[in-house]
Amino acid sequence: EAGVVQSPRYKIIEKKQPVAFWCNPISGHNTLYWYLQNLGQGPELLIRYENEEAVDDSQLPKDRFSAERLKGVDSTLKIQPAELGDSAVYLCASSSSGTGDLNEQFFGPGTRLTVL
Amino acid sequence: GQNIDQPTEMTATEGAIVQINCTYQTSGFNGLFWYQQHAGEAPTFLSYNVLDGLEEKGRFSSFLSRSKGYSYLLLKELQMKDSASYLCAVLDSNYQLIWGAGTKLIIKP
Repeated sequence: EAGVVQSPRYKIIEKKQPVAFWCNPISGHNTLYWYLQNLGQGPELLIRYENEEAVDDSQLPKDRFSAERLKGVDSTLKIQPAELGDSAVYLCASSSSGTGDLNEQFFGPGTRLTVL
Repeated sequence: GQNIDQPTEMTATEGAIVQINCTYQTSGFNGLFWYQQHAGEAPTFLSYNVLDGLEEKGRFSSFLSRSKGYSYLLLKELQMKDSASYLCAVLDSNYQLIWGAGTKLIIKP
């Protein structure tokens, strides 16, 4: 079974440019998460989806960040315009939220963003 | 506020035992996870505790005391490949995972 797929793996852009990340969760997982992780830190939640509904986007900087999960499967995270401080690894994770499930999150390989 | 504390870095010797501690203060508790993260890679699941006590899985064990807001991850017979960051995370009352900053474990020959 395929794991969480993310693309691109690496992205280098200049500040003020837009950038988009894509994530395809594990088949059947209805919960999808986008995290930001800085070096030496734990992941920080940006947004959590239950199917196509964003149930927690309180940490998403909405002035420049947006996300969508239109059909409740794959998702896109966008930054426009990017700032120097956005350089980080962007992780996507998914989990199954059925009754009795562990809620274990499975992570994709991440996208390492460098803003110059 | 919600807070998870774990040591920033630990060093241990190959073949030895190491215990990584985690203390937490969260809004509610629905379980505690330990994840392993090698440099440049995504976190991978190690263990889950929701009841007090010790959960053993091969060379790794995880302990939880809910009354003390405390957990530890015990790694036995350390191997060089165990060099990684170990992240403690708590599932709060909203089923949101609150993450610690991770403990970087350095294994020396």
